Amino acid sequence: QSALTQPPSASGSPGQSVTISCTGTSSDVGGYNYVSWYQQHPGKAPKLIIYEVSKRPSGVPDRFSGSKSGNTASLTVSGLQAEDEADYYCNSYAGSNRVFGGGTKLTVL
Amino acid sequence: QVQLQESGPRLVKPSETLSLTCTVSGGSISNYYWSWIRQPPGKGLEWIGYIYYTGSTSYNPSLKSRITISVDTSKNQFSLKLTSVTAADTAVYYCARVAGGYSYGPWGQGTLVTVSS
Repeated sequence: QSALTQPPSASGSPGQSVTISCTGTSSDVGGYNYVSWYQQHPGKAPKLIIYEVSKRPSGVPDRFSGSKSGNTASLTVSGLQAEDEADYYCNSYAGSNRVFGGGTKLTVL
Repeated sequence: QVQLQESGPRLVKPSETLSLTCTVSGGSISNYYWSWIRQPPGKGLEWIGYIYYTGSTSYNPSLKSRITISVDTSKNQFSLKLTSVTAADTAVYYCARVAGGYSYGPWGQGTLVTVSS
């Protein structure tokens, strides 16, 4: 199973919104509503921020939102803050496998 | 809240077996699925596999022939064994609880395992 495709980088100024895409196939992203997103700061473990496409775990700010259309899932970060600068990874259920995206480095300008 | 901690050798020789244990504290290992995920230095995440507390498992097809994940409910631990390692297996290895919708959280802090002679 190939990794999901994410843009290597994204950026935005404080207060702005940025959207990160995650493209797969009908065998993973498009076939199931089991897409999750993770935030990873340098030297730290990933943190779950979105599950089941658009659900937020307790404690995750509502500035983070997720959606899906066809084979592409998206993470939107609204009202960008300096602490949002991190790497973001998507993940999808794929039957007998689980696949991650290659990661997107989000820079807050 | 539940916390996870990886432990095991940080240096493994090529062709040998990598062995790691994840200790779960602050909650029971029962009634949950538990997973191993790795990240080569400077690269992305790769799902290794998961185990249910009853012992049933599922592995990444690309690693399946070399992986064994086991659980010890009496110690609240689960473990990973990866055989015939090469330099390509050098990575930070994370353990994590499988959460809703096949997502992962919380995660352990991760442990860097280097394969080198």
